[in-house]
Amino acid sequence: GQQLNQSPQSMFIQEGEDVSMNCTSSSIFNTWLWYKQDPGEGPVLLIALYKAGELTSNGRLTAQFGITRKDSFLNISASIPSDVGIYFCAGPRFQGAQKLVFGQGTRLTINP
Amino acid sequence: EAGVTQFPSHSVIEKGQTVTLRCDPISGHDNLYWYRRVMGKEIKFLLHFVKESKQDESGMPNNRFLAERTGGTYSTLKVQPAELEDSGVYFCASSPGLALYNEQFFGPGTRLTVL
Repeated sequence: GQQLNQSPQSMFIQEGEDVSMNCTSSSIFNTWLWYKQDPGEGPVLLIALYKAGELTSNGRLTAQFGITRKDSFLNISASIPSDVGIYFCAGPRFQGAQKLVFGQGTRLTINP
Repeated sequence: EAGVTQFPSHSVIEKGQTVTLRCDPISGHDNLYWYRRVMGKEIKFLLHFVKESKQDESGMPNNRFLAERTGGTYSTLKVQPAELEDSGVYFCASSPGLALYNEQFFGPGTRLTVL
């Protein structure tokens, strides 16, 4: 089945640093989603991308829908302690599908 | 407006026992989904309800898992008998309507540990 490969699996950074993570697939996705899971909570949608090449920002977060439609990137600028958590990429398995396929997650740890 | 709620937050049971997880979706959301994350791996789809009907149960691991959504409101996911590999975090999500894409709102999850 379709798999999303997310990297890196974990990151340990200093507060204030920028963060980059990415997600790749062997199949084309028509929608890319980035979720964040805080400890003890469920995933919360951060950014949704619907068009190849699209670049969308949400505060200090910026995500891009890869031009090949097989990858997506999430950048966090000037990290702060509350950015700690697990970041997941996800997408509907095919156009119009409701169920989501998720990547394995990137665990972000920030040293103050 | 209340978000998606799940009960219990944690459950520790022995192999062979039965556990029932409950999910209350956001009021008015027709779509309800169950997902599971086994430690360190991706979140995997289990099934999708539209109101009280199972739209897609292709992700259900085997017949030890039974999901219901009587009346199209809350849903239960029963595991009987539980096995060690069933351990993980079970997430419920809900979304309104069936547009091209609707944001799914996730609950906090139930952490199931099978000993």
